[in-house]
Amino acid sequence: AQTVTQSQPEMSVQEAETVTLSCTYDTSESNYYLFWYKQPPSRQMILVIRQEAYKQQNATENRFSVNFQKAAKSFSLKISDSQLGDTAMYFCASANAGNNRKLIWGLGTSLAVNP
Amino acid sequence: EAGVTQSPTHLIKTRGQQATLRCSPISGHTSVYWYQQALGLGLQFLLWYDEGEERNRGNFPPRFSGRQFPNYSSELNVNALELEDSALYLCASRPGTGYEQYFGPGTRLTVT
Repeated sequence: AQTVTQSQPEMSVQEAETVTLSCTYDTSESNYYLFWYKQPPSRQMILVIRQEAYKQQNATENRFSVNFQKAAKSFSLKISDSQLGDTAMYFCASANAGNNRKLIWGLGTSLAVNP
Repeated sequence: EAGVTQSPTHLIKTRGQQATLRCSPISGHTSVYWYQQALGLGLQFLLWYDEGEERNRGNFPPRFSGRQFPNYSSELNVNALELEDSALYLCASRPGTGYEQYFGPGTRLTVT
């Protein structure tokens, strides 16, 4: 069965510093997609970044980047120059390619950015 | 482009009543997903609709049901409400050829 594991329930970082959130996954598929979503206190779920498994290059979106290690089944999120607005719950998710595109979710990491 | 919309924002019901939650996907998106998120917990998958059909269902009792309309909007019905049904209900839509889901702001259901 497909699983996603986030081993850090809570993390904190000082404003302007860099933080890395961990995620590991397990799938028997060769082609799949990985995502990081952010849920701030407003509870609105926002897509932060996506990675296609067949692409070796790590995805980057402004201050957000991933370290995708396919062999290790690891997909960590790095947030550079952390801002107070980055305070949120961060969820890692995966989806297999093909007709069944259901997202499998991790339990989330609560990130607090401190001034 | 308008995002996913959900109504109502808040819903207060008493135990045993029925609740109806509504979702309008992003224009052009054919798939709609429903999730339950209890306070402080992760997302629990409820239902997936695509092209008007129920495609997959999470581990929830039959009193959780829904449908998708020809315009791809969707409705989630919860019958015989129980106190533990109090949660944030999130709707997400996905384009037919994509994998990422886009979420609405949620409906907060409170059962008293």
